[in-house]
Amino acid sequence: DGGITQSPKYLFRKEGQNVTLSCEQNLNHDAMYWYRQDPGQGLRLIYYSQIVNDFQKGDIAEGYSVSREKKESFPLTVTSAQKNPTAFYLCASSIGRTGGPPLHFGNGTRLTVT
Amino acid sequence: KNEVEQSPQNLTAQEGEFITINCSYSVGISALHWLQQHPGGGIVSLFMLSSGKKKHGRLIATINIQEKHSSLHITASHPRDSAVYICAVSLGGGADGLTFGKGTHLIIQP
Repeated sequence: DGGITQSPKYLFRKEGQNVTLSCEQNLNHDAMYWYRQDPGQGLRLIYYSQIVNDFQKGDIAEGYSVSREKKESFPLTVTSAQKNPTAFYLCASSIGRTGGPPLHFGNGTRLTVT
Repeated sequence: KNEVEQSPQNLTAQEGEFITINCSYSVGISALHWLQQHPGGGIVSLFMLSSGKKKHGRLIATINIQEKHSSLHITASHPRDSAVYICAVSLGGGADGLTFGKGTHLIIQP
């Protein structure tokens, strides 16, 4: 069954530590995305990648970094520079940018930083 | 940037009721999406539409491009429909250009 796997589901970290969220897809999709969701707000785009070894900043990229070394994988690192890292993080993929959505989403990772 | 407004923010209804969730946006779009977020957090794409109407099971989505408005309807609602429903719009290109609404939290009571 094809889909997107995010791990872990819950993550707890101390302030000042970097943390990496995993996102793996077996849908053979070219495009992958990271969104952040905060209570009472719409999803906001952090980073996206349309092809291996290439990625672009989204609306709220400060304090985050990504890599796209393989088509299937798009890990997100939340660095200590991110001022408010506690949030729900969602990874998504789509066939390609020109083909556009529909999007496939993972089940998310809830990050709590104390 | 497009502004996306959803109404109502919260909706509680009885099983069997006809449900309508509304989405309005400020700038012309190429497509509108309806998404369903389950209590665990996972999101499922329900519809993508650029004109007219689409139907899938008990769900119906309509869009009026001139009025910049879309509705999601649920017929014969069931407690398993309880979720957050999210509207998102795109100006063109890919999902990097999506603007999301804040969501409508729907609870269907048995």
